[in-house]
Amino acid sequence: GQNIDQPTEMTATEGAIVQINCTYQTSGFNGLFWYQQHAGEAPTFLSYNVLDGLEEKGRFSSFLSRSKGYSYLLLKELQMKDSASYLCAVEGANQAGTALIFGKGTTLSVSS
Amino acid sequence: ETGVTQSPTHLIKTRGQQVTLRCSSQSGHNTVSWYQQALGQGPQFIFQYYREEENGRGNFPPRFSGLQFPNYSSELNVNALELDDSALYLCASSKGSPGGYEQYFGPGTRLTVT
Repeated sequence: GQNIDQPTEMTATEGAIVQINCTYQTSGFNGLFWYQQHAGEAPTFLSYNVLDGLEEKGRFSSFLSRSKGYSYLLLKELQMKDSASYLCAVEGANQAGTALIFGKGTTLSVSS
Repeated sequence: ETGVTQSPTHLIKTRGQQVTLRCSSQSGHNTVSWYQQALGQGPQFIFQYYREEENGRGNFPPRFSGLQFPNYSSELNVNALELDDSALYLCASSKGSPGGYEQYFGPGTRLTVT
């Protein structure tokens, strides 16, 4: 079966660095996405990893290890607006086209 | 904003009724995926359409059905509504095959079943 695990909640302070982990066990793998979702809004794309290693994009970085079924999203210089849910999603997890299979999301609260 | 639109924004239906939700994909995208998101959960994959054909389906009963039109817009139909169908329904469009493309999400339709 498919299993995508990430912590339910995390808290951090402004200016800090936070790492959100994601582990996955899926029957297929075409890549791993991270999305950000503010309350009441649609998910928005943050990053995509298909090869092992680190992808950096401004304050956000994402890492993938396919052999370990592991990814993390690193957020630097945290701002209040980063308070949101962060969703880890695997593409092609059940070989259903290019569908995304999501974890339950990690709610990040950033305080001043 | 992503250029993906959904209608209606909110909907209230009674158990047993039927509902149709609509999605217009972003220009240049030929793939639409539908997701159901319950409160406090991640989106769950319902099905995907690629060039008007169903291209994969999640673990949802047959009363969830869909269509994709020649302009790549899409509909999600749910028959015999149940209370547990209350959720945010998201559609996402992408360039499709061979994969690895970002999916752009619409704002969603909030369905409440009473």
